[in-house]
Amino acid sequence: DAGITQSPRHKVTETGTPVTLRCHQTENHRYMYWYRQDPGHGLRLIHYSYGVKDTDKGEVSDGYSVSRSKTEDFLLTLESATSSQTSVYFCAISGGTRGADTQYFGPGTRLTVL
Amino acid sequence: RKEVEQDPGPFNVPEGATVAFNCTYSNSASQSFFWYRQDCRKEPKLLMSVYSSGNEDGRFTAQLNRASQYISLLIRDSKLSDSATYLCVVNSQAGTALIFGKGTTLSVSS
Repeated sequence: DAGITQSPRHKVTETGTPVTLRCHQTENHRYMYWYRQDPGHGLRLIHYSYGVKDTDKGEVSDGYSVSRSKTEDFLLTLESATSSQTSVYFCAISGGTRGADTQYFGPGTRLTVL
Repeated sequence: RKEVEQDPGPFNVPEGATVAFNCTYSNSASQSFFWYRQDCRKEPKLLMSVYSSGNEDGRFTAQLNRASQYISLLIRDSKLSDSATYLCVVNSQAGTALIFGKGTTLSVSS
């Protein structure tokens, strides 16, 4: 299995509070991604990174920000969490040169916003 | 037309059955195609890449039809352990990310 960890694995928070999710990889892969998965919607891309300090928006980026200061870490921040951000969040990595190559997923973080 | 469309199922089949899933995609310039498998409350895992000439991995066969823009997955001799959701995946228009279908659920019973 690819060396990807996510923390925390579960979190319950209240509306309006900031939340940061961490993805850590040991594969030295260039590309990292954050997805959310909701019933009826499947996996949707939030943000991705193609290198240190290089990030771009995905399909559902509103309300989220990301940072990548080291190759191995990709952080997802909800500045002010809302109930609509209750979801399962997956991080993925890809070692390809184009990004549209095989992705390997972390175990996920279950976030509940009350 | 949605970028990647799959029949959500569920497909309920007995052990030993052969089952096929289809998927259509909208970007005619797509170059990367995959099938992922996702078990309940787990992360998606790569099942197999899909190549233009078609490819097989044990009981699993993937086919690509570029003219019709569809991808198929055939599972032969279904096992109980094949019960999962199968995700069809295609690269994005910009080529920098992957687009996931919503998945097809398979339930294999004894």
